[in-house]
Amino acid sequence: DGGITQSPKYLFRKEGQNVTLSCEQNLNHDAMYWYRQDPGQGLRLIYYSQIVNDFQKGDIAEGYSVSREKKESFPLTVTSAQKNPTAFYLCASSIRGSPTDTQYFGPGTRLTVL
Amino acid sequence: QQQVKQSPQSLIVQKGGISIINCAYENTAFDYFPWYQQFPGKGPALLIAIRPDVSEKKEGRFTISFNKSAKQFSLHIMDSQPGDSATYFCAASKNTGNQFYFGTGTSLTVIP
Repeated sequence: DGGITQSPKYLFRKEGQNVTLSCEQNLNHDAMYWYRQDPGQGLRLIYYSQIVNDFQKGDIAEGYSVSREKKESFPLTVTSAQKNPTAFYLCASSIRGSPTDTQYFGPGTRLTVL
Repeated sequence: QQQVKQSPQSLIVQKGGISIINCAYENTAFDYFPWYQQFPGKGPALLIAIRPDVSEKKEGRFTISFNKSAKQFSLHIMDSQPGDSATYFCAASKNTGNQFYFGTGTSLTVIP
């Protein structure tokens, strides 16, 4: 059963702590993306990767880091430098990363900073 | 700066009615316009998409209308059903880029 898995579904973090969100896909897609979703602001791109060991910053990359060591995995680290980390985080993938490729989204991780 | 502006923020429609969501953009380099549907607690999923070489695309009860000169496009949901209750996002991308620019979303509630 192909798809994108994100874990955990809910995550709580204390201020000052780094936290890593997992994203795995078994669709054999080249491109993967991380978005942040806040009420009334839609989806904003954090980072994207079109190939292993390469990634680019999106519109709101400050305070976040990523790695792409394997094609199927694209973990996102929310660092203590991110001023407002509480949000719903969505991972997505697409076949090649072409601007007309459908993006397939995971179920999301809701991060709450206590 | 919001590249794609979406309205309304929320919409309540009676069952069987027509739901209309509007989006506008400024960047004339955009040439692909998808709509995504998101149910609570889930990730968005592609609903329907259009290229600017056509003015309308229909898939079942869902229709995109596209006005290239006005730089506007809209989603029409005919015979709206309670199961259509979700958040809808419009988006745009350009063929020289790598990313979608999403609207702020419209929360649709269809009342039985």
